[in-house]
Amino acid sequence: DVKVTQSSRYLVKRTGEKVFLECVQDMDHENMFWYRQDPGLGLRLIYFSYDVKMKEKGDIPEGYSVSREKKERFSLILESASTNQTSMYLCASARSDRGYGYTFGSGTRLTVV
Amino acid sequence: DAKTTQPTSMDCAEGRAANLPCNHSTISGNEYVYWYRQIHSQGPQYIIHGLKNNETNEMASLIITEDRKSSTLILPHATLRDTAVYYCIVRVEAAGNKLTFGGGTRVLVKP
Repeated sequence: DVKVTQSSRYLVKRTGEKVFLECVQDMDHENMFWYRQDPGLGLRLIYFSYDVKMKEKGDIPEGYSVSREKKERFSLILESASTNQTSMYLCASARSDRGYGYTFGSGTRLTVV
Repeated sequence: DAKTTQPTSMDCAEGRAANLPCNHSTISGNEYVYWYRQIHSQGPQYIIHGLKNNETNEMASLIITEDRKSSTLILPHATLRDTAVYYCIVRVEAAGNKLTFGGGTRVLVKP
């Protein structure tokens, strides 16, 4: 069964810490995405990548950066975590062809205290 | 990006068909209609997609109007496990083929 795996299900970090959220997919997909989901705001795209070492800003990139050194791995980085970054973070991957769906991971619930 | 409009919520009786409407009046000719659902505390799950023709798979059927301005997702025999938020999304044809999620329809399947 193909999968998108996020390294942690729950994470608690302190304000000001540097936080790494890891995502790995085993489907050889070209595209990978990071979303965050908050009550009342839905899913919002933070960053995406359509190739190794390529990255594009999504709708809310402020406070985040990403890294994609290998095709299967896409990391989301919070340089200095803040309480307003407490959220559910969802990673997804997809093929580049038109007409194919995304596969999402189970999510990482991050709490910044 | 083409936008979609969905009802905020709807209830459905277990064992009955659930018909979820979606309006996408500004859809362009090469944009697909996608449906996803998100069960509580899980990541979204792909259900089905279509361009012009009606589509059916093991999960659902998708009916797209001839003018492509609206569509309906049909869950033929709803079960309690189908309780979820259902998202209708029109896919942006751009680098990275990103999807933009709206508010979705919160479907509650009742016994």
